Amino acid sequence: EAQVTQNPRYLITVTGKKLTVTCSQNMNHEYMSWYRQDPGLGLRQIYYSMNVEVTDKGDVPEGYKVSRKEKRNFPLILESPSPNQTSLYFCASTLSGSLNSPLHFGNGTRLTVT
Amino acid sequence: SQQGEEDPQALSIQEGENATMNCSYKTSINNLQWYRQNSGRGLVHLILIRSNEREKHSGRLRVTLDTSKKSSSLLITASRAADTASYFCATDGPDSWGKLQFGAGTQVVVTP
Repeated sequence: EAQVTQNPRYLITVTGKKLTVTCSQNMNHEYMSWYRQDPGLGLRQIYYSMNVEVTDKGDVPEGYKVSRKEKRNFPLILESPSPNQTSLYFCASTLSGSLNSPLHFGNGTRLTVT
Repeated sequence: SQQGEEDPQALSIQEGENATMNCSYKTSINNLQWYRQNSGRGLVHLILIRSNEREKHSGRLRVTLDTSKKSSSLLITASRAADTASYFCATDGPDSWGKLQFGAGTQVVVTP
């Protein structure tokens, strides 16, 4: 089944403790992206990747890192999480960076930083 | 920064009625997409319309695009309780290569 898999679904952590949210897709998509969703603000793009070893900042990249060593995986890293990073996070992928095909979304990761 | 803004923010209708929501955007686009989200789950793609298209249909969904007004509308005909969800528009454009930007969404509640 074609899908985008995020883990974990729920995560509660403390300020400053490094964490990684994993994202994997099995559709051989070139383009992958991370979004955060906060009430009243819709989805805001954190980072995106056009292909392996090609990543770029979205609208809200501060406090996050990503890597794209393999085509299928695009982990999101929070080196020193802070409470303002409490949010619902989504990973998404699509065929190419021309964005003329639908994005496929994971089921989300709800992160709470205390 | 958000490119698209949906209007209204919330919409409550009864089953069988039509639901219309609008999306306005600020800069020129290549494509505009509509997505649905059920209660905190992942977004599901509904329709993609290219900048040179004016209207697209998919089942009970109809999307129009007016690039002169920088706006799009999504019409859901004969709504059902299962259409209860949040609806988002998303745009990409020549000035924002690789970025797909979403609006804040319209919450639609369909009551039986």
